[in-house]
Amino acid sequence: QLQLQESGPGLVKPSETLSLTCTVSGGSITNSRYYWGWIRQSPGKGLEWIGSVYYSGSAYYSPSLKSRVSISIDTTNSQFSLRLSSLTAADTSVYYCARHEWHWYFDLWGRGTLVSVSS
Amino acid sequence: QSALTQPPSASGSPGQSVTISCTGTRSDVDGYNYVSWYQQHPGNAPKLLIYEVIKRPSGVPDRFSGSKSGNTASLTVSGLQAEDEADYYCSSYADSNNLIFGGGTKLTVL
Repeated sequence: QLQLQESGPGLVKPSETLSLTCTVSGGSITNSRYYWGWIRQSPGKGLEWIGSVYYSGSAYYSPSLKSRVSISIDTTNSQFSLRLSSLTAADTSVYYCARHEWHWYFDLWGRGTLVSVSS
Repeated sequence: QSALTQPPSASGSPGQSVTISCTGTRSDVDGYNYVSWYQQHPGNAPKLLIYEVIKRPSGVPDRFSGSKSGNTASLTVSGLQAEDEADYYCSSYADSNNLIFGGGTKLTVL
């Protein structure tokens, strides 16, 4: 059974760059049916799509975050990664990695990891 | 692009039906049949309930149903049960490879 697990720092400083990794286990990250995405949720708030990457490496980003985001994929190690730069307190969120189909619905989610931005 | 518009709260008694709306624009909800709904219990990751407007993944009870008319999608929960108390989010594909979520609706089972 395919599972996703986020990993990365729980605390980062303002102006720094956040790096998170999602490890895919129990299935193939190169399945052509799926994209691999990142979604975040600020404390007590709603969901926000950050971006998604295909196994080929092509990526799509939310227009509101595009200038600060990069998502990459490592098919050898079944991982995909998020980099978010120029962090502020507003980036404090639970970050989820998830899988989505071509028709843009997320059918499998990681458990999420809380990232706090504070000095 | 702005978030899709959902009512902040909804409620119903056990056994009743509740409908949650999700309003967008021609660039998202009205333009594509790629509306999804998610259920999120406190402290948990979201769970897919409905995809492509009306389809249910395997394992989701048929008490949950989706529909769409123009720029507004809807999720109906029939035969409300205590475990349905949760936050519900809609999402839609939008122009130019973008995905937008709604602000979320807190469903209370009275």
